[in-house]
Amino acid sequence: GEDVEQSLFLSVREGDSSVINCTYTDSSSTYLYWYKQEPGAGLQLLTYIFSNMDMKQDQRLTVLLNKKDKHLSLRIADTQTGDSAIYFCAEIRSGGSYIPTFGRGTSLIVHP
Amino acid sequence: DAGITQSPRYKITETGRQVTLMCHQTWSHSYMFWYRQDLGHGLRLIYYSAAADITDKGEVPDGYVVSRSKTENFPLTLESATRSQTSVYFCASFGQGVSGANVLTFGAGSRLTVL
Repeated sequence: GEDVEQSLFLSVREGDSSVINCTYTDSSSTYLYWYKQEPGAGLQLLTYIFSNMDMKQDQRLTVLLNKKDKHLSLRIADTQTGDSAIYFCAEIRSGGSYIPTFGRGTSLIVHP
Repeated sequence: DAGITQSPRYKITETGRQVTLMCHQTWSHSYMFWYRQDLGHGLRLIYYSAAADITDKGEVPDGYVVSRSKTENFPLTLESATRSQTSVYFCASFGQGVSGANVLTFGAGSRLTVL
């Protein structure tokens, strides 16, 4: 399809791991990003991965990239209540207009 | 301060008035974007710019005008505001970040209410 797709909601217990999934549109996409948006705030860049990588780890965050399936995931270890937010994935295809395409966002709810 | 700044952060106006939302970035990134964010619609691209004096329409350009006379500034103007333009507006730029990687960075947003 033409859209970047994400599931709308994810609910986890505090201390568990969260996995947010994203399917993007173009297997040749070079830049893939994850953003966090808290209520009333802007989009904060969490992490990114490039198409020449399969995995990237940054403290509690792990990004996995499956280029064959055009699948991107964000794992948050030891999820805290402060992680409750909406998470957006985005892709930018290089060699073209560099226009980002965003998913609709996954609302992560962390409960005690 | 380094970064991307938007002003005003909050604006209330009346139908028919002209409103300009400002966006300024300090990195000299070539690409800049304007999005609006509404419940149920996610982020929708209004206009984008590949460089100074080069702009193009996005998904929802009607009722908006942009200009880019300088690389660092990308103002968005609502020529005659309508209630349907009540939204949160985000500016973003794409280019080399502090880590050396190309990243897309957003401003804090401008919340516009049209009465």
